Amino acid sequence: GAVVSQHPSWVICKSGTSVKIECRSLDFQATTMFWYRQFPKQSLMLMATSNEGSKATYEQGVEKDKFLINHASLTLSTLTVTSAHPEDSSFYICSPSVKGNYGYTFGSGTRLTVV
Amino acid sequence: GENVEQHPSTLSVQEGDSAVIKCTYSDSASNYFPWYKQELGKGPQLIIDIRSNVGEKKDQRIAVTLNKTAKHFSLHITETQPEDSAVYFCAASKPGNQFYFGTGTSLTVIP
Repeated sequence: GAVVSQHPSWVICKSGTSVKIECRSLDFQATTMFWYRQFPKQSLMLMATSNEGSKATYEQGVEKDKFLINHASLTLSTLTVTSAHPEDSSFYICSPSVKGNYGYTFGSGTRLTVV
Repeated sequence: GENVEQHPSTLSVQEGDSAVIKCTYSDSASNYFPWYKQELGKGPQLIIDIRSNVGEKKDQRIAVTLNKTAKHFSLHITETQPEDSAVYFCAASKPGNQFYFGTGTSLTVIP
């Protein structure tokens, strides 16, 4: 159980373009989605939390207009990095969770490189 | 909020030896403590977890201990193998809440 599919696994884009990352929970319904960012050789830092059908809650320092999160269904959440810049290059990881339970399963991650 | 500290940041052991990684947390309300193994370019994978009503849990070569009073928990890997080489993260959480991760330990098992 608790199978998570995250795509793409890696993406290279030009500065100024937008990139969409998808996270699907394949065998359970995720009422909550956590999105994390990880810089090289660093720990995972929470970017935002979204509940299905509601607006995402962003952590301090994370621009909500730059990192658009959509959690329109219980099995799919997307993170769109808008007007990407080289400093947005990072490893992005999703973690779906069922409300009231622990979000202990993570996606395989997306390596974003902005050139 | 919760603050999780993890030590050491790097650890090298000879194959067959044991490895121990320690974490401390600050929020006494945290009650779930997972350990993750992350290989290069991949997402974290849960290897073992412990809840606050248990003091120790073991799964083959991997064990985790929890001291609620002192607010620290540890990962123990025995009979280490080269494939155990990876970055290990501890985390602390409460139900439905985000995970607060430690800073990671890069484990190298030398053949």
